[in-house]
Amino acid sequence: EVQLVDSGGDLVQPGRSLRLSCVASGFTFDDYAMHWVRQAPGKGLEWVSGISWNSGTIGYAGSVKGRFTISRDNAKNSLFLQMNSLRAEDTALYYCVKDMYTSPSSNFEYWGQGTLVTVSS
Amino acid sequence: QSVLTQPPSASVTPGQRVTISCSGSSPNIGSNYVYWYQHYPGTAPKLLIYKNNQRPSGVPDRFSGSKSGTSASLAISGLRSEDEADYYCAVWDDSLSGPIFGGGTKLTVL
Repeated sequence: EVQLVDSGGDLVQPGRSLRLSCVASGFTFDDYAMHWVRQAPGKGLEWVSGISWNSGTIGYAGSVKGRFTISRDNAKNSLFLQMNSLRAEDTALYYCVKDMYTSPSSNFEYWGQGTLVTVSS
Repeated sequence: QSVLTQPPSASVTPGQRVTISCSGSSPNIGSNYVYWYQHYPGTAPKLLIYKNNQRPSGVPDRFSGSKSGTSASLAISGLRSEDEADYYCAVWDDSLSGPIFGGGTKLTVL
């Protein structure tokens, strides 16, 4: 059974940093691309960032480019999102997502339960 | 405002059929596969349709997808109360070099 366990969400002040983590199990982690997708309160789903199986291809949404960094540790079946210079508009539930392919696509096959990030003073 | 346009809401009675549209443009729907997701608030979204019209294992055949030109549709037949959820289309956008979601459609089963 595929499991994605997201963690690291917290209440932080604007301008501060936060690191999200996701531990995967139930599949061969280093065979697939991974993503972070978020949902702000009362809003729809928004893709944040994606990374290929070998970290060779990385992409970001324009709203987070230059502030967020995605990475993965295949030896530890883990995905990360380093979020710097956080803004109120980054407040959202962040989902760790498994792709169906080795490179990022829009085929989000499995989703974690999400971890809540709240940016407020 | 999303690059992909979906109706914000739809209401249908049990047993009926509903179609949810997703309108895009050449760099996205016009050039790539469309995916559909079902989302019950507070839970993890679920892949419903992949590659325009393919159903993952376990998804009932009441759910079907189609695509024509720069638009796509999700059809749900024999509606049940448990189908009441938010539905999102998603597609890769060649101009943005990343995936994009539609704004979502909240389906109410009356």
